Amino acid sequence: AQTVTQSQPEMSVQEAETVTLSCTYDTSESDYYLFWYKQPPSRQMILVIRQEAYKQQNATENRFSVNFQKAAKSFSLKISDSQLGDAAMYFCAYRSAPANTGNQFYFGTGTSLTVIP
Amino acid sequence: EADIYQTPRYLVIGTGKKITLECSQTMGHDKMYWYQQDPGMELHLIHYSYGVNSTEKGDLSSESTVSRIRTEHFPLTLESARPSHTSQYLCASSDRIGNTIYFGEGSWLTVV
Repeated sequence: AQTVTQSQPEMSVQEAETVTLSCTYDTSESDYYLFWYKQPPSRQMILVIRQEAYKQQNATENRFSVNFQKAAKSFSLKISDSQLGDAAMYFCAYRSAPANTGNQFYFGTGTSLTVIP
Repeated sequence: EADIYQTPRYLVIGTGKKITLECSQTMGHDKMYWYQQDPGMELHLIHYSYGVNSTEKGDLSSESTVSRIRTEHFPLTLESARPSHTSQYLCASSDRIGNTIYFGEGSWLTVV
């Protein structure tokens, strides 16, 4: 099975500053999807951003962007202009492609982000 | 937000009780999942389903069981709850392509 590693259990950032959350993964596959999910306290987990491995261009969604380094198997999330509402647990996830019936999502252990006013 | 719903959101029950956690999605997704997550910890896949009448155990062994009689419904049952079952249970679904997974709000179970 693939493994996803988030080496930063906790991170903090000043409001309006930029923070980068790290994620590495281990796979022998060439085609796959990578995700960052956000889970606010006691709230629903939601998708932040998604990256297809075959795309060289890094995905961006407003203040959220990724640095996808396929050779290094690294997939970091950059949050710019951090806001208080960004405080949450962030999970990195991996999924194989194409979407065979046996393919599952693999999640990292999460990084708890605190935003300091 | 995605149309996937879980009930109850919060539940406290006594040891030995039977409990069913409900999960429904209105997106017509074929694939559904149950994850177990302790507070601030990683997600563990305990059950998944490819479609109606299909259920599989996940990576983490669980004493719970699931059923998939209808596409939109994927309940999880504990026949005899124990304190070790205290956790958050997250239901999720994805479409046939399966590129993105959508989560419910979670069910917090406490067994006393």
